[in-house]
Amino acid sequence: DIVMTQSPESLAVSLGERATINCKSSQTILYRSDNKNYLAWYQQKPGQPPKLLIYWAFTRESGVPDRFSGSGSGTDFTLTISSLQAADVAVYYCQQYYTTPPTFGQGTKVEIK
Amino acid sequence: QVQLVQSGAEVKKPGASVKVSCKTSGYTFTSYDINWVRQAAGQGLEWMGWMNPNTGYTGYAQKFQDRVTISRDTSISTAYMELTSLRSEDTAVYYCARTSDYNDYLTDYWGQGTLVTVSS
Repeated sequence: DIVMTQSPESLAVSLGERATINCKSSQTILYRSDNKNYLAWYQQKPGQPPKLLIYWAFTRESGVPDRFSGSGSGTDFTLTISSLQAADVAVYYCQQYYTTPPTFGQGTKVEIK
Repeated sequence: QVQLVQSGAEVKKPGASVKVSCKTSGYTFTSYDINWVRQAAGQGLEWMGWMNPNTGYTGYAQKFQDRVTISRDTSISTAYMELTSLRSEDTAVYYCARTSDYNDYLTDYWGQGTLVTVSS
């Protein structure tokens, strides 16, 4: 199975400041034939199911604010929240969908400093 | 609008089975795969398996291969996940999730979750 490792486990950021979450896969999730990274980011708030934010490593899902952006390729990826809002307090997960079983990172908890 | 509505919370004894339902609406049920994912309290997300509602084909994570069955009733646009031989470690919230247009393991709509508690 592909292991997804996120860092940090948690971070506290002041309102309006940048939050950066890293995700590393144990093997490449870049599919050469279509040059796409099979990497998604989800946001989960307490008591709610995960919400898809980004797929193909950097494509925002419809309706997701543009302060959320994804980057990276191969095995190293980043989710950036450019200006943290109170509504962004949540746990964020990366997921690879390159191969079965799809696997998730352990999550990064984002809080307000 | 797309909705996935799951059945209510369950309490089961060790060794018992549980069957969770996921009723879908707002789209053509047979056009999108359904995945099942679980989450223990305070823990991360764990993929259990998938089903193609059109063909009934399924695939399971090796960890659950012997204990899980995903099925469907196309007449009522509902998917099911049954887990047998329950143990305390199976206590978790179980989610159904619809796959996106882009990939069978990329999920865009999720049910609200069903808490399954296994306790003697």
